[in-house]
Amino acid sequence: GQQLNQSPQSMFIQEGEDVSMNCTSSSIFNTWLWYKQDPGEGPVLLIALYKAGELTSNGRLTAQFGITRKDSFLNISASIPSDVGIYFCAGRFNDMRFGAGTRLTVKP
Amino acid sequence: DAGVIQSPRHEVTEMGQEVTLRCKPISGHDYLFWYRQTMMRGLELLIYFNNNVPIDDSGMPEDRFSAKMPNASFSTLKIQPSEPRDSAVYFCASSLGLAGVAGANVLTFGAGSRLTVL
Repeated sequence: GQQLNQSPQSMFIQEGEDVSMNCTSSSIFNTWLWYKQDPGEGPVLLIALYKAGELTSNGRLTAQFGITRKDSFLNISASIPSDVGIYFCAGRFNDMRFGAGTRLTVKP
Repeated sequence: DAGVIQSPRHEVTEMGQEVTLRCKPISGHDYLFWYRQTMMRGLELLIYFNNNVPIDDSGMPEDRFSAKMPNASFSTLKIQPSEPRDSAVYFCASSLGLAGVAGANVLTFGAGSRLTVL
């Protein structure tokens, strides 16, 4: 099945810093999505991307759907303590596959 | 809408017992997915349904696992007999169809069922 490679695995940053994480795949997708998971909860959608090359923002979050349809990145600007959590990329063609996650820690 | 509803939220059972996890998808969603999450393997797709029909169950670990969707508002994931290595958080998620409409491909997750098999 499709494999998604997400990096980095973890990040330790200072409050106010910008964050960047990305996902690559050997397969193409028709939708790329980014989710955030807090402890004891299910993943919650942050951003959904539907077209190759699409760049979408949601507040301090910006994500792009790669031109090749095999990659995507997520940027978080001016991080705050509540950004702490695990961020997952996901790609959908028929089913939906997830990356291994990026665990973000923000130090005040 | 109350979102995707899963039960139980937590279950502790002994090896060899049968476990049944339940899911109520969002009304009107025609896709339903079951995932398993562990530290070692992350989020693994077990099976998904479209219009109550199983489409791909290649992620189901072995014959001890079975899933059903008797109607559009209910699905179960059953493990019989359970083993300690089945301990994980099991998520159900639902979505609208793949019609190419913005928002249609977005999965909404339940809060998960944390299973511990002793």
